[in-house]
Amino acid sequence: NAGVTQTPKFRILKIGQSMTLQCTQDMNHNYMYWYRQDPGMGLKLIYYSVGAGITDKGEVPNGYNVSRSTTEDFPLRLELAAPSQTSVYFCASSYTLGVDTQYFGPGTRLTVL
Amino acid sequence: AQTVTQSQPEMSVQEAETVTLSCTYDTSESNYYLFWYKQPPSRQMILVIRQEAYKQQNATENRFSVNFQKAAKSFSLKISDSQLGDTAMYFCAFMKGGSEKLVFGKGTKLTVNP
Repeated sequence: NAGVTQTPKFRILKIGQSMTLQCTQDMNHNYMYWYRQDPGMGLKLIYYSVGAGITDKGEVPNGYNVSRSTTEDFPLRLELAAPSQTSVYFCASSYTLGVDTQYFGPGTRLTVL
Repeated sequence: AQTVTQSQPEMSVQEAETVTLSCTYDTSESNYYLFWYKQPPSRQMILVIRQEAYKQQNATENRFSVNFQKAAKSFSLKISDSQLGDTAMYFCAFMKGGSEKLVFGKGTKLTVNP
């Protein structure tokens, strides 16, 4: 049981490039989340999903897109990377919404230069 | 909107001693949950302890316990018998019942000294 896994662990992008951050969970959780953590701050919610095919915006969705074709996977797409997207990105999952604990992946450190 | 405040950016404690991290929150909700997450240098967010607002009894998990003061909207974390492995950032977080959103404080950096 690996829990929540994320790839890559580190990435450097040039301004205007695009990339996809991968997230997979093997706990059969219905709900999945993407957060970003800026230096010295707590995490902020980018997008979340309540099940395959259903996603919704969080607090800071601009510049990102998500999809959820399976229960296990919840990739985050960055289009036209900007320096403001330099951050650490965390994926999380939970069995239920608003009650259950969220379990986090190890994070991806992204730098946009 | 809910807010979470951690007023201690950094703290330090000697190994084997006890330390308390502070957290206050602001909400008008009656159904909510509070969490403490630990983030070691590895960056992984690890759940330390969780408290349901409707429960009067303070949550405990081994050396970790909370002091939940609902009327004062305070949720402090007490770490007993501190260990070197407790060195980490600690985040207090709030979740409204039925919501997808965890609201985090800015964190407290705890250093346990040998």
